[in-house]
Amino acid sequence: AQKVTQAQTEISVVEKEDVTLDCVYETRDTTYYLFWYKQPPSGELVFLIRRNSFDEQNEISGRYSWNFQKSTSSFNFTITASQVVDSAVYFCALSPTSRGGSEKLVFGKGTKLTVNP
Amino acid sequence: DAGVTQSPTHLIKTRGQQVTLRCSPISGHKSVSWYQQVLGQGPQFIFQYYEKEERGRGNFPDRFSARQFPNYSSELNVNALLLGDSALYLCASSLVPWGNEQFFGPGTRLTVL
Repeated sequence: AQKVTQAQTEISVVEKEDVTLDCVYETRDTTYYLFWYKQPPSGELVFLIRRNSFDEQNEISGRYSWNFQKSTSSFNFTITASQVVDSAVYFCALSPTSRGGSEKLVFGKGTKLTVNP
Repeated sequence: DAGVTQSPTHLIKTRGQQVTLRCSPISGHKSVSWYQQVLGQGPQFIFQYYEKEERGRGNFPDRFSARQFPNYSSELNVNALLLGDSALYLCASSLVPWGNEQFFGPGTRLTVL
């Protein structure tokens, strides 16, 4: 069975603070993908990143960075110098890699981030 | 290019009724997936279709059904609506079902009274 746990239900920070969103996953698959999505109040899920289980290199994209640690089954997301526009619900998700089957996404419950001015 | 589109945006139904939700994928995308997102929870997988064939089904009752058309658009049908079916229904499209990120539409907000 696959499971994604986002232990932080809500986080509130002041603008310009750094914030890290935690994600821990469980899977028996040897290969899989990990994702982060952002869901603003409008409701549409916005894709942020996809990481293959073979690639443990950390990634940085502007103010966003991701730390993937296979040894601890974690895929944490850090926003540097947070801005009010970062306020949203953030979801971590997992999917198997199975060319012949279905790569359904298994989502965590999400972390609601509020960035106050 | 247009993203994933869904219709209607909002829908109000009463218990026992039936509903059909529609989704048009991004041009060139052949795979469509449906997710249900109950308030305060993460989306849950319902179905995935590729080339008009069902590729995966989540843990939902038979009241839920879907299909994909030759133009790759898709419909999700829910029969005998229950109060617990009230949710945001999200459609996602991808080029193929494997190895690609899924792009989500704005969703259909279904309220069952």
